[in-house]
Amino acid sequence: QSALTQPASVSGSPGQSITISCTGTSSDVGGYNYVSWYQQHPGKAPKLMIYDVSNRPSGVSNRFSGSKSGNTASLTISGLQAEDEADYYCSSYTSSTWVFGGGTKLTVL
Amino acid sequence: EVQLVESGGGLIQPGGSLRLSCAASGFTVSSNYMSWVRQAPGKGLEWVSVIYSGGSTYYADSVKGRFTISRDNSKNTLYLQMNSLRAEDTAVYYCARIEAVGATYFDYWGQGTLVTVSS
Repeated sequence: QSALTQPASVSGSPGQSITISCTGTSSDVGGYNYVSWYQQHPGKAPKLMIYDVSNRPSGVSNRFSGSKSGNTASLTISGLQAEDEADYYCSSYTSSTWVFGGGTKLTVL
Repeated sequence: EVQLVESGGGLIQPGGSLRLSCAASGFTVSSNYMSWVRQAPGKGLEWVSVIYSGGSTYYADSVKGRFTISRDNSKNTLYLQMNSLRAEDTAVYYCARIEAVGATYFDYWGQGTLVTVSS
C-alpha cells in the first residue's frame, strides 16, 4: 500500500492549462481503470472531480479532464481560474483497498 | 440531500481507545460501500477502511488489527472503533460514501472529526 507519486506543487497563470501526474504501479494505477481525483481547499473536505480515469461527476466543470497511460494517470485543468487554487489528490482502487497520492498544491499565479 | 456528519473525535492518550461515528442522511448506509479516510495535520489523504454492503471489511496495513469498521443499520450510522492508538494516528478522520455498489470512488465526504493522540 505505497502512496501514489504526485508532484508536490504546480503553478500556472489564469487562463493557462496545467497537468498533474500521478504515478503508481501495475498493481494499482496500471492495473485498473479506477483512478479518481479530488480537490481540497484549506480546511474543507475533499471533493470528487474525476472518477474512473476520465469521467466527470455532474456539476464539475468541463475544464477538468483526466487520462491514463500505463502506470501514470493525469489530471488536466484548462482555463485556470483563481478558485482552482487548492490541493489535488489522485486515488486508485486496488483489490478492496485504496491508495492516495501524496497531493499536489496548485498555485494560480 | 446526502449528508455525512462525523463525531467522536478528541484528545486521547497513547494506547487508548476511541469510537468515531458518522451519521448519514439522504441515503441508506447499508446499501452502499462506506469508507474512512484520514489526514494527518499538514499531510495528505490516507485510506483507512471500507465496509461493503454485504458486510465485508478491509483495512489499511497501518491500522489492521487495531481499528474496526462497523455500521448500525437502524441508526443509519457508520462507526470506526480505534484501539491501541498511537501518536501517528493523529489526524482528521473523514467518512466517505462510495457512489454505488461496485463503484470505486468517494462521491460524498463528511466534514471530518479531529483525533489527537498525545500524552
